[in-house]
Amino acid sequence: EVVLTQSPGTLSLSPGERATLSCRASQSVATYYLAWYQQKPGQAPRLLVYGASSRATGIPDRFIGSGSGSDFTLTISRLEPEDFAMYYCQQYGSSSWTFGQGTKVEIK
Amino acid sequence: QVQLQESGPGLVKPSATLSLTCTVSGGSISSYHWMWVRQPPGKGLEWIGYVYYTGTTNYNPSLKSRVTMSLDTSKNRFTLKLTSVTAADTAVYYCARDSAVLPRVFDYWGQGALVTVSS
Repeated sequence: EVVLTQSPGTLSLSPGERATLSCRASQSVATYYLAWYQQKPGQAPRLLVYGASSRATGIPDRFIGSGSGSDFTLTISRLEPEDFAMYYCQQYGSSSWTFGQGTKVEIK
Repeated sequence: QVQLQESGPGLVKPSATLSLTCTVSGGSISSYHWMWVRQPPGKGLEWIGYVYYTGTTNYNPSLKSRVTMSLDTSKNRFTLKLTSVTAADTAVYYCARDSAVLPRVFDYWGQGALVTVSS
């Protein structure tokens, strides 16, 4: 099973700042199958990025996914008030999926 | 617009079987993998498994011995059964759909159903 480790656990930033979230896999992950989700309290996760770098429909261009192999990054170029939330990376391989433990982006 | 809705008991006794149903509206249950994902209070997401529209299933190895998933195409819904539950199975349970267009991501989710395991 591929283990995804996200860092940091919590990111304390102000609106307008840049957020950089890391997702590291225990073994190489197919770039095509690396995704990022956003989750707000009391809500289901929402797909942000798929294929490591492609934004899902309706996702603003301030959300930027990058990376390959075992190291992936989600960058939020300028934080908007609605961006403060939990973020999870997800990978698919061998007919199963795993999630990272999440990074919380909170208002400083 | 595809919508998913979980339903089932919110309270289950220890050692009993947890049963949830996900009803799909706005689209057919055919031609997709249908997922269950859970999230213990204050914790992260855990993929439980999927049932394909053909009835084929695949489960998280950590839960495989206790999980059964099935679907009912005539009613456009699918179900999760988890046996021998303990307090560690207390979680919000989500159903979701594997996108047939995007690469192996979950594009539609239910709102989630909190299931508490307690006597």
